[in-house]
Amino acid sequence: DIQMTQSPSSLSASVGDRVTITCRASQSISSYLNWYQQKSGQAPKVLIYAASNLQSGVPSRFSGSGSGTDFTLTIRSLQPEDIATYYCQETHSAVFGGGTKVEIK
Amino acid sequence: EVQLVESGGGLVKPGGSRRLSCAVSGFTFSNAWMSWVRQAPGKGLEWVGRIKSKIDGGTTDYAAPVKGRFTISRDESKNTLYLQMNSLKTEDTAVYYCTTEATYRLSRPFDYWGQGTLVTVSP
Repeated sequence: DIQMTQSPSSLSASVGDRVTITCRASQSISSYLNWYQQKSGQAPKVLIYAASNLQSGVPSRFSGSGSGTDFTLTIRSLQPEDIATYYCQETHSAVFGGGTKVEIK
Repeated sequence: EVQLVESGGGLVKPGGSRRLSCAVSGFTFSNAWMSWVRQAPGKGLEWVGRIKSKIDGGTTDYAAPVKGRFTISRDESKNTLYLQMNSLKTEDTAVYYCTTEATYRLSRPFDYWGQGTLVTVSP
């Protein structure tokens, strides 16, 4: 079974900082990788699909990159409304990463 | 506007059963692949299973922890998705979300989600 490992599990950054979250697959998944944002008490929302494609309506400060086993979600300039937990998810077995909780310093 | 509304959550004893429903609107349900995703309290997301559209065979897939105990079905006439949960365990305690899979995208992201319904399995 494919395992998805996210790092870090949590981070604290200042408003305006560039934030990077990584996701590693235990085997190659090509570009079959999605990123979600989940705010407290809400359902998740897709941000990025197929590793690097921005979902409609998502601010352009979010971007994704990578292929194969290593992927990155970047928030170019962290905003207060970006406080959330972020999850990666691979397509084949629909496995999610463990999540990265982002807080404001 | 796409809407997914789950119902049926509640308190169940270990070994018991529960059926969750997800009423959908705003899209052509018969063409949609649908999944259930759960989240234990304070924990991450876990995919439970999916049902494909009838045109794609209507088949189901399940995650290992629920295979043989949970069954996903759909009623096109009622625009409703179901999750029948049997032989429930305490570790099945979670918020259960129904979601759509965007099969027109390469990576089939879960693009629409319900608000979730909480199932608590406790003696």
